[in-house]
Amino acid sequence: EVQLVESGGGLVKPGGSLRLSCAASGFTFSSYSINWVRQAPGKGLEWVSSISSSSSYIYYADSVKGRFTISRDNAKNSLYLQMNSLRAEDTAVYYCARAPYSSGPSDYWGQGTLVTVSS
Amino acid sequence: QSALTQPASVSGSPGQSITISCTGTSSDVGGYNYVSWYQQHPGKAPKLMIYDVSKRPSGVSNRFSGSKSGNTASLTISGLQAEDEADYYCSSYTSSSTWVFGGGTKLTVL
Repeated sequence: EVQLVESGGGLVKPGGSLRLSCAASGFTFSSYSINWVRQAPGKGLEWVSSISSSSSYIYYADSVKGRFTISRDNAKNSLYLQMNSLRAEDTAVYYCARAPYSSGPSDYWGQGTLVTVSS
Repeated sequence: QSALTQPASVSGSPGQSITISCTGTSSDVGGYNYVSWYQQHPGKAPKLMIYDVSKRPSGVSNRFSGSKSGNTASLTISGLQAEDEADYYCSSYTSSSTWVFGGGTKLTVL
């Protein structure tokens, strides 16, 4: 069974940092691109970042470029999102989702982890 | 990258058909056949319903179908059922190798 489990969310002050993790199981992690998608409370989905299977291609939304860093460890079947200089508008549930290829759809999603940026 | 445009809400009675539109530009919806549709029930993670404009993942009912004309993609749900009531989001790959979502459409089954 394909599983993606996010962790690392929590309450952080504006300007602070947080590192999210996504643990994958049930599929060959190293063969898939992975996306981070977030959803602010009561709002719609927003794509945040993507990383290709071998980390060769990495992309960010303009809203997080220069502040967030995506990475993966295929040996540990894990994906990470380092979030620095956090702002109130980064408050959201963060989902990791796998994609069969860089331009492919997000076919399996985790249950999400909530990040709250507040003083 | 601006969000794709979806109607905020649509509604229909059980058994009826509804269509949700998703309008973008030639840099996203119109330029690629990489449009996806996601269903999201309250408090749940999104679920892929349609990908590559009109393909259905295994396990998704054939009551769900997708199409595209120019810069506008559409999701049609036929034979509406109570469990179809949810939020629906379109998404498209873009010329910047990024993804953009629509604002979401709340489907109410009357």
